Amino acid sequence: AQTVTQSQPEMSVQEAETVTLSCTYDTSESDYYLFWYKQPPSRQMILVIRQEAYKQQNATENRFSVNFQKAAKSFSLKISDSQLGDAAMYFCAYRSTPQGGSEKLVFGKGTKLTVNP
Amino acid sequence: GAVVSQHPSWVICKSGTSVKIECRSLDFQATTMFWYRQFPKQSLMLMATSNEGSKATYEQGVEKDKFLINHASLTLSTLTVTSAHPEDSSFYICSAEGPTNEKLFFGSGTQLSVL
Repeated sequence: AQTVTQSQPEMSVQEAETVTLSCTYDTSESDYYLFWYKQPPSRQMILVIRQEAYKQQNATENRFSVNFQKAAKSFSLKISDSQLGDAAMYFCAYRSTPQGGSEKLVFGKGTKLTVNP
Repeated sequence: GAVVSQHPSWVICKSGTSVKIECRSLDFQATTMFWYRQFPKQSLMLMATSNEGSKATYEQGVEKDKFLINHASLTLSTLTVTSAHPEDSSFYICSAEGPTNEKLFFGSGTQLSVL
């Protein structure tokens, strides 16, 4: 079974600075999806960024980018120019590629990000 | 993006009663929906996978007779917590597979408090 590990329970960053959240995973599959979700105090799960394993190019979404190292099974999230609204729990998640069916998301334990003004 | 509506947002009930939570895909058809449970300051744990027109698939350790899941249409899945007890108090979140099967969209969650 696949597992996702987030080794940083909490992180903090100064407003306008850059922070990197770590995520590693374990799988024997060659094709899969990786995600970063944000959960603010409202507890609504918000998709931040998505990476397809067969794509070597790292995904980017405005101030959010990932460093995907497939061989090392590492998927870190970099937040540039941090804003107060970025404060939230961040979950790294893994999903197998659907093969005629539907596959669940496997979540890490999360990293609580605090943004200091 | 696709919208998933979950109701109610919060519910308080007495021990021994049953509570139904609804999860609807508003602008797309979802043959598969997932139900998660989240305890305070913890991650999301998958409870079951709900498939339209068939029985749900439960994760190991989840009591299927206690957490009844019905997915009777392509836009609606329901989770019924039967004979609720205080230990069932938790945040329940549903998600639905989007039209392209590549993304999952989440409902806003339901906070259940059992007195």
